[in-house]
Amino acid sequence: SSELTQDPAVSVALGQTVRITCQGDSLRSYYASWYQQKPGQAPVLVIYGKNNRPSGIPDRFSGSSSGNTASLTITGAQAEDEADYYCNSRDSSGNRHVVFGGGTKLTVL
Amino acid sequence: EVQLVESGGGLVQPGRSLRLSCAASGFTFDDYAMHWVRQAPGKGLEWVSGISWNSGSIGYADSVKGRFTISRDNAKNSLYLQMNSLRAEDTALYYCAKDPAKDYDSSGYFDYWGQGTLVTVSS
Repeated sequence: SSELTQDPAVSVALGQTVRITCQGDSLRSYYASWYQQKPGQAPVLVIYGKNNRPSGIPDRFSGSSSGNTASLTITGAQAEDEADYYCNSRDSSGNRHVVFGGGTKLTVL
Repeated sequence: EVQLVESGGGLVQPGRSLRLSCAASGFTFDDYAMHWVRQAPGKGLEWVSGISWNSGSIGYADSVKGRFTISRDNAKNSLYLQMNSLRAEDTALYYCAKDPAKDYDSSGYFDYWGQGTLVTVSS
């Protein structure tokens, strides 16, 4: 199975820009999607496909990809963006699975 | 409004069985693939299983293959997960999640999630 790797923790000053990355071989073939999860809540999809935001997701969230690395960028981070962020994609090993990264805890200072 | 409501979780002894259900509303259930995703306490997300719109294609994570069975009843707008031979490492919050595509291995992502049902495997 493929694996997706994320930094365990990232911090950003209020109002600044932060990039959260996700690395894995499957990202050479498939787009990553990104989810925000706040304590005690279910995950919420924030980015999917090349760089698409579901309805209701602020435009400060954006996605990009290069080679085996996908990135979630928050431009002008807000206090309410403090959360865990997970990437995921299809597995490229041919087993028709779905894989998740280990998650990144974002702290807004 | 899309709603996914899981039920059926609880405390169960190792080796026993449990059946989870997910009641879906607010969308045309039989137009979309569905999945189960779990999260162990304090840990990350793990895909468990997916099923295509007509149950014609199903997939399982290696960690549950042979023990868990996913199914759906489109007439009842419901998704199920039959969990047999439960282990301590199956302890987790189990989420029902909607796929934006018909086939479970097509899009690779989940556009709506339920609030989860907690499964605790312990003697």
